[in-house]
Formats: sequence, C-alpha cells, structure tokens
Amino acid sequence: EDQVTQSPEALRLQEGESSSLNCSYTVSGLRGLFWYRQDPGKGPEFLFTLYSAGEEKEKERLKATLTKKESFLHITAPKPEDSATYLCAVQAYDKIIFGKGTRLHILP
Amino acid sequence: DARVTQTPRDKVTEMGQEVTMRCQPILGHNTVFWYRQTMMQGLELLAYFRNRAPLDDSGMPKDRFSAEMPDATLATLKIQPSEPRDSAVYFCASGLDLTSGSNTGELFFGEGSRLTVL
Repeated sequence: EDQVTQSPEALRLQEGESSSLNCSYTVSGLRGLFWYRQDPGKGPEFLFTLYSAGEEKEKERLKATLTKKESFLHITAPKPEDSATYLCAVQAYDKIIFGKGTRLHILP
Repeated sequence: DARVTQTPRDKVTEMGQEVTMRCQPILGHNTVFWYRQTMMQGLELLAYFRNRAPLDDSGMPKDRFSAEMPDATLATLKIQPSEPRDSAVYFCASGLDLTSGSNTGELFFGEGSRLTVL
C-alpha cells in the first residue's frame, strides 16, 4: 500500500534555528515527490517537485532533498513567516497521496 | 489570477441532511481531485477525475458519498445522508494530466469547504 509518513508532527524553533523535516515513503512506481506549504484556513500551496534520488531543489530558506526512501525539507535560519504546516506528497501513477504534515512554529 | 473556487466556504448542517460541495477548477486543467482533511487523518484522497471521467473513488464511503463532473467547469461532491463523522474540511484541487511526462505534478488547491455536521 502506498504510504507517506512525516516526522515530527510538530516542531517549535527559535528564529534563526535551522532544522529539517522528514518524509518517508513507500510507493510502487514513484513518479514524483512534492512538498507543499499550508497556512491556517487555506489550501496547500506547491513548493517543490523532486523526481529522482540525489535531486535537490531550493527556494529562499528552504531546500528539499530526495533519497530512495525519504525526503528532507531543510529550513535554514527560519523566520516567523515560515510558520506553517509543511506537507509531503507522492505521485503513484495518476494519483497524489499526502502525509499528515509537520506543523512548524518559528518563535521570534 | 487563475484559482480554484470552492463553495460553500462554511456549512453547518444536521445529521441526515444532504450536503453538496462545488468546485470550479482552473480553466484548462483536466485533472480534479477531492480531498478531506482532519487533524487525525490529515489529507485523505476521496476521488479524482481526468477529462471529467472518474478514475478512482475508492477513498469515499460509497453508500453516502458521490462525486461527479457534470462539465469541465464544475465538480461536485455530495453526501447523503450526512453524519457527524463527516465533519472536516473538503478540498478540491486541479492540475494538468499527471501521466504526462512534461507535467511537474503541481496541484492547485481551493480554499476548502468546512463542513460541520451536528
């Protein structure tokens, strides 16, 4: 069964304190791994697509990496505006399955 | 500014009532997904369509949920009869054909319909 597991469930960091979020997956025929950001009361917003092990993508303070079994979202020197829920998802042929997300809170 | 539009934004109803949620996908997108989000389960895939044809609705309770795309500009999710355990935020998302090699796989989400069943 296709599955996405994210850890930790919640993370509180001081502003400027770098950390990483984990996404482990089992899927038959991975076609892509995605990271989304979700703010309270909003729908998820797309951040990155990763296709193969070793690939990396960056956007501002965020960097996503991919191995054969997991992906990491690294957050460098975060700011309070980076507080959100970060969702990982995988594409299994023609459908996209999401993990439960990591709630990130950056304290000023 | 193209966006996915969902209605209603908020719905409070009593157990046993019929609920219909509507979604207008982004013009030109041929893939539509329905998800349900709760704190316990996260985002659960309920059903999805490509070119208006249902591909998979195995995530939905078949006896009470139904999803349709009457035309390319409208997707509907209906619950009849509704139950308290259906309380959640329901998201619609649209995108381009995921089986196309040139597609990034990005989905565009609406702002959700928050359903409360009393």
